[in-house]
Order: sequence, then structure tokens, then C-alpha cells
Amino acid sequence: GAVVSQHPSWVICKSGTSVKIECRSLDFQATTMFWYRQFPKQSLMLMATSNEGSKATYEQGVEKDKFLINHASLTLSTLTVTSAHPEDSSFYICSAHRADTQYFGPGTRLTVL
Amino acid sequence: KNEVEQSPQNLTAQEGEFITINCSYSVGISALHWLQQHPGGGIVSLFMLSSGKKKHGRLIATINIQEKHSSLHITASHPRDSAVYICAVATDGGSQGNLIFGKGTKLSVKP
Repeated sequence: GAVVSQHPSWVICKSGTSVKIECRSLDFQATTMFWYRQFPKQSLMLMATSNEGSKATYEQGVEKDKFLINHASLTLSTLTVTSAHPEDSSFYICSAHRADTQYFGPGTRLTVL
Repeated sequence: KNEVEQSPQNLTAQEGEFITINCSYSVGISALHWLQQHPGGGIVSLFMLSSGKKKHGRLIATINIQEKHSSLHITASHPRDSAVYICAVATDGGSQGNLIFGKGTKLSVKP
């Protein structure tokens, strides 16, 4: 079946640094990928829609200058958390849609010290 | 009030029991998803429904569009079914990944 991978699976960084998270569709092309985050004991929330070859669409309340999204190829979208702060610590998950199924990546747990 | 409500929040069952998890929503939808999230966080898509009923192995999902309600059933539950089950809806006119998620139902199946 279709697989979506994420890298890294976890990352710990110092406050003020930038962190890049990769989302890959391994056996299918995805013109659109989605980025979500999940704070502890809360629901997943859509952050942005990543569109191959064009600008991402951000949900209300998500700073586009802080969460940079690049979808340079049909199989790769990256999310860069710039100048990370402790409040950005969260579980970040990507997904891609194929046929009638939404495929989710395994997630990246970000801890900002 | 959340747009997607799940019940119960937590559920403990004995192995072999029949499990039902409910999801109600208040928005117009194009599809409803049932997802399974394991303790490590990874999410697996179980079903995507826009009408009727789907079955996969011991899992059955139903949706009633008029009542804006869906149920996920697990027959002959097993400890490996222990996970958080999440209902998510794709709204009418929204993109397929623009999902509104419920808070999840934490299922624990005891041997």
C-alpha cells in the first residue's frame, strides 16, 4: 500500500534554532500534502496545505513566516520551523491523499528546549 | 461546542467484547474518516466514508448523513486493538486533507 514517511521521527533543539521536517510519499506522487500538529491531549489540527510548485495555503492563526513549507517535487514536502521556541514543541504529522484514502506519515516529535 | 464530537472519551473492554465508538458532527461534510493512533503517535487510516457502511476484517464503520452521525465497531476485540481512535471530517467544499478532528477515543482492551 501507499506509504508516507517523515524524517526525523523526533528532534530536540535549542530555542532559536530552525528545524526542518521532511514528508515523502514513497510510492505515489502527491501534488498536495497536508501538515498537521497535535499538542498533548489535544486534537490534530491542520496547519497548512502544501501544493507542489506553488505557495502553501496556511490555516488561520498559523504564521507562514515561522512555518516555512516547500513542496519542490511530487514526492517531497518540507516544513521548517524557524526560530523555534518551547511553545512550538508538538507532534507534527503530514499526510497525502491517494484514491479514497488519506495516508499519514508516522509523525515527528519536536521538543524545543 | 466542537464541530466533531466523539464518545466515549475513554473505553476499557475485556478481550472478545464488541466495541462501539460514536462520532457526531455539526458541519456539512464530503467524507468522514476513522483513524487509529498508536502510543508512538503514528496514524493509520481505517476508513473513509461518505455514505452507508464499510467493513474491513473485524472493523465496521457506518455513517448516517441525515443524522450527522457515524459509528466504528470492533468485533471480537483484542488487546492489540488498544489505541486512540479518531473521527475526522472533510468539510463540504474543503480539500480532502482539510480535516476537522475529534479528540479521540482511547480504547484499552484487557486480556
